[in-house]
Amino acid sequence: GQQVMQIPQYQHVQEGEDFTTYCNSSTTLSNIQWYKQRPGGHPVFLIQLVKSGEVKKQKRLTFQFGEAKKNSSLHITATQTTDVGTYFCADGGATNKLIFGTGTLLAVQP
Amino acid sequence: EAGVAQSPRYKIIEKRQSVAFWCNPISGHATLYWYQQILGQGPKLLIQFQNNGVVDDSQLPKDRFSAERLKGVDSTLKIQPAKLEDSAVYLCASSLRPSSHTQYFGPGTRLTVL
Repeated sequence: GQQVMQIPQYQHVQEGEDFTTYCNSSTTLSNIQWYKQRPGGHPVFLIQLVKSGEVKKQKRLTFQFGEAKKNSSLHITATQTTDVGTYFCADGGATNKLIFGTGTLLAVQP
Repeated sequence: EAGVAQSPRYKIIEKRQSVAFWCNPISGHATLYWYQQILGQGPKLLIQFQNNGVVDDSQLPKDRFSAERLKGVDSTLKIQPAKLEDSAVYLCASSLRPSSHTQYFGPGTRLTVL
């Protein structure tokens, strides 16, 4: 079946440094959604990308969808302690049946 | 706007016992999902409802798991009998309709099977 992998599994940065997580799918993605899950919390929707090559920005967060629609990335500029958590990508599919990636845990040291 | 409600928040049982979880989605949301999230992994969809009908239950272990959404609003997920590997957080989510790409998650129920 479809596999959605993310790298790295874990990243530790100093506050103010940049951070990037990469999402790769074994099959073509229908659309890609990104979620953030704080420690002990539940996933919270961040954004959805649909078009090949699409780039969207939310303040310090930049999301990209690959040209072949098989990969995506999330880049955070100048991390803050509030960015701590696990970032998941997910393939939305035709019926929004989410297939989540393996996640990247971000730790930010003040 | 009230979010997705789940109860209980925590549950500890012994293997072979039964357990049930309850979820109340956001008012007006037709689509309801149950996910299982094992520690260190991403959520895995167990079942998806559209109103009171099942859209997808392909990853639900039907020999021990069951779920229902009788009136198309709240839902229950049951495990009977529980196994050690069922220890996980069970997340309920809802969306306005299947094509709505924003799913809103509840706080989850953390199940520990001893």
